[in-house]
Amino acid sequence: DVKVTQSSRYLVKRTGEKVFLECVQDMDHENMFWYRQDPGLGLRLIYFSYDVKMKEKGDIPEGYSVSREKKERFSLILESASTNQTSMYLCASSLYSKADLLNFGPGTRLTVL
Amino acid sequence: QQPVQSPQAVILREGEDAVINCSSSKALYSVHWYRQKHGEAPVFLMILLKGGEQKGHDKISASFNEKKQQSSLYLTASQLSYSGTYFCGTSSGYGNKLVFGAGTILRVKS
Repeated sequence: DVKVTQSSRYLVKRTGEKVFLECVQDMDHENMFWYRQDPGLGLRLIYFSYDVKMKEKGDIPEGYSVSREKKERFSLILESASTNQTSMYLCASSLYSKADLLNFGPGTRLTVL
Repeated sequence: QQPVQSPQAVILREGEDAVINCSSSKALYSVHWYRQKHGEAPVFLMILLKGGEQKGHDKISASFNEKKQQSSLYLTASQLSYSGTYFCGTSSGYGNKLVFGAGTILRVKS
């Protein structure tokens, strides 16, 4: 089974802080994703990476950046956290494409005060 | 464009059936269904591809009507373990990204 792990389950940060969310997958998948989950809005794609150092913007990339220096690791960066970025963040990986079966991590609930 | 799921929430007793719908305003290539239990990661249920095939395993099945740009998830003889939030994700073309609906909360009571 693919395992996707995220560095923290819960995180509390202050407005203006730089925040790093880390995600690691152990099955050599090409594709990795960062989603944001909010009640009533479902899962929204922030960024997608299809290879090391390669990335594509998703539907809501504003205020976020990403880094993929190694195949197994995909980081989401909030350059200057704001209260409207309080949310659940889910990392996922897939083998073949961005419309392939997604394997999700457990999520990081980020609160920005 | 985000697909529309209906209903937003449904409460069932064990053994009852439920249908969750997912509709899009765009032509669809594939529909994916995921279930997320409270406090857990979403888990893949099934993919349906353009062609109208129906899929299923155990007592959960789904259909895809490409003319109507709609998919339905059927849960029969529901069990307590079916409780959770069900998401559909739609893709408009091969290799295109998934766009998820807002989710349907399903609660099964004993």
